[in-house]
Amino acid sequence: TQLLEQSPQFLSIQEGENLTVYCNSSSVFSSLQWYRQEPGEGPVLLVTVVTGGEVKKLKRLTFQFGDARKDSSLHITAAQPGDTGLYLCAGEDRGSTLGRLYFGRGTQLTVWP
Amino acid sequence: GAGVSQSPSNKVTEKGKDVELRCDPISGHTALYWYRQRLGQGLEFLIYFQGNSAPNKSGLPSDRFSAERTGESVSTLTIQRTQQEDSAVYLCASSADRGDPTQHFGDGTRLSIL
Repeated sequence: TQLLEQSPQFLSIQEGENLTVYCNSSSVFSSLQWYRQEPGEGPVLLVTVVTGGEVKKLKRLTFQFGDARKDSSLHITAAQPGDTGLYLCAGEDRGSTLGRLYFGRGTQLTVWP
Repeated sequence: GAGVSQSPSNKVTEKGKDVELRCDPISGHTALYWYRQRLGQGLEFLIYFQGNSAPNKSGLPSDRFSAERTGESVSTLTIQRTQQEDSAVYLCASSADRGDPTQHFGDGTRLSIL
């Protein structure tokens, strides 16, 4: 059972288009993180959101944490080929003794020039 | 070093052999995590260390998997009697402490079982 569901699984767009990817769960998280992973490399943290309703902007990327802290979205404006990669969301449960992050399966984004 | 270092970067071995994967976390980071990533899948949590102890090992998929951490630094993940379904990328991450949600990942070890 996947605790975090990401959609879409694959996204292929042209340079300059906008896109949104979603990360949904029935569970409440203490915080939620977005990572980007490129082939042959480990995930790299993009942002951490901790407050329900929080919106963070990182250049052309806008991240939102749902009011109930169960879901999140990542919006990219005017996508560029350099945005290509696997985008992973991960939820943190501070009540867990495992000290773990729960990862979604990711959205594979391809931006064509 | 500046980041999390994992070795080897690639490992090819025959079914039934034992393998050891190594992780050097960022210096001073007390929390260390192992994940497995199968092709087309997200990250599957395996085990977490706080210092040298592992509070919960229930993420390990079978008793063929074990991990240890010495000196609050290097960690080794050992897989005994490897099976083809063990083929995956094994990722290690560290964070400053358990209260810090930011995990810094290494580039992983790509394990292929023939």
